[in-house]
Amino acid sequence: DGGITQSPKYLFRKEGQNVTLSCEQNLNHDAMYWYRQDPGQGLRLIYYSQIVNDFQKGDIAEGYSVSREKKESFPLTVTSAQKNPTAFYLCASRGGWKDTEAFFGQGTRLTVV
Amino acid sequence: DAKTTQPTSMDCAEGRAANLPCNHSTISGNEYVYWYRQIHSQGPQYIIHGLKNNETNEMASLIITEDRKSSTLILPHATLRDTAVYYCIVRVRGGGSNYKLTFGKGTLLTVNP
Repeated sequence: DGGITQSPKYLFRKEGQNVTLSCEQNLNHDAMYWYRQDPGQGLRLIYYSQIVNDFQKGDIAEGYSVSREKKESFPLTVTSAQKNPTAFYLCASRGGWKDTEAFFGQGTRLTVV
Repeated sequence: DAKTTQPTSMDCAEGRAANLPCNHSTISGNEYVYWYRQIHSQGPQYIIHGLKNNETNEMASLIITEDRKSSTLILPHATLRDTAVYYCIVRVRGGGSNYKLTFGKGTLLTVNP
C-alpha cells in the first residue's frame, strides 16, 4: 500500500544525545514536511523540502537538522542544541505540481530523559 | 498563506450535525480552504477543500461564504469517532514557492453520547 511511514513510534533518549527520526514515503510526492506537536497545541513547522537536495527552515528550526538525499526519505535529527526536545513529531508529504492533499505519518513520540 | 481563526473547542451531540466555523478574512483570490482533522495521538487526516463553491464528499460538506472570508465544515451526523481536533488552513495550490504548509491550533470537537 502507498503511504508515509515514521519509525519508531516511541523513542527514548538521554539528554545531550542527538537522535534521528525516520520518515519514508512511497507516494512519489515531491514535498515533505516535519512538524512538532506539544500537548494541547497545534502543529508547528520545523523544516520542509520541496525537492531532493533542497530544504527550507520552518517556524521552529533551531536545534534540528534534516537531509533530503532521496525523494522517498526525509530524516529529522534532533540535536543536543534543541532545548525542549520531548514532543510528538509528525512527518507529512504532498504532491508537487499535481498538488494532492498532504498525507501524514502516524508520528514519533520522542521522550528525552 | 493567509491566517485562520477557529474556536478553541466545541461540543456536539451524537447524531446531530457538527458545524465548525473558520474565519480567513485575509484570504487571497487564489488561496483554497483546506480542512484536516487529527484524532488523538495520530497523524492529521485530510477531509475536504474548496475555492469558492460549496463542496461535499463522503466525510463532510464545506460551505464557503460568498466573500470567501469565512467557511464552515459540516459533519452531518456526528459520531463519537468524530471527536478530534479540526484544522482549517488556507493556501495556494500548486508548486513553486507555495510548498510551505502551516497549521494553527485548530478546534477540538467533542461529540457527546
